[in-house]
Amino acid sequence: GAVVSQHPSWVICKSGTSVKIECRSLDFQATTMFWYRQFPKQSLMLMATSNEGSKATYEQGVEKDKFLINHASLTLSTLTVTSAHPEDSSFYICSGGLNTDTQYFGPGTRLTVL
Amino acid sequence: QKEVEQNSGPLSVPEGAIASLNCTYSDRGSQSFFWYRQYSGKSPELIMSIYSNGDKEDGRFTAQLNKASQYVSLLIRDSQPSDSATYLCAVHSGGGADGLTFGKGTHLIIQP
Repeated sequence: GAVVSQHPSWVICKSGTSVKIECRSLDFQATTMFWYRQFPKQSLMLMATSNEGSKATYEQGVEKDKFLINHASLTLSTLTVTSAHPEDSSFYICSGGLNTDTQYFGPGTRLTVL
Repeated sequence: QKEVEQNSGPLSVPEGAIASLNCTYSDRGSQSFFWYRQYSGKSPELIMSIYSNGDKEDGRFTAQLNKASQYVSLLIRDSQPSDSATYLCAVHSGGGADGLTFGKGTHLIIQP
């Protein structure tokens, strides 16, 4: 099956610093990658959709200048949380999609901002 | 605003019994429907997908879809303690570029 990896799996950072999370599709080329966020006891909320070589599309309420997404190739997308604050602490999950509605989820990255 | 509603539970079911999980969605244009299982601290894993009205069976799992009622369900037969998890219902509106809209999930507990 299709495998998506994320790195790092967890990260702790100080308030005001930036954190980069990588999402890779290992055995397929993901035409579209999605970034989700999940707060404790909440569901996954779509943050943004990115297509290789084009600007990401952000969901309403998600600050594009704070959550920078780069989708440089068909196998790599990165999410950078800039000037992170404690309220950004969450579980960030990416998924890769082919030209269908099937999405393959990565294992997630737990971000804790002190 | 697309919404997916689930009863948060917890839903407690004896081992060996049938667990029934329900989900309703607001967007009538939704095309694809998914059930994911999520263990604590882990990312979701796909259990079933269903696209047309009726039942779809895969092993111990049966997904049911009723588009007229905007209702999706998941039945788990012969429930096992390892089935204890949060089950997320997800809906896709159509078009490969759209992300999934998730419900908040139902916490299922299988009692040995």
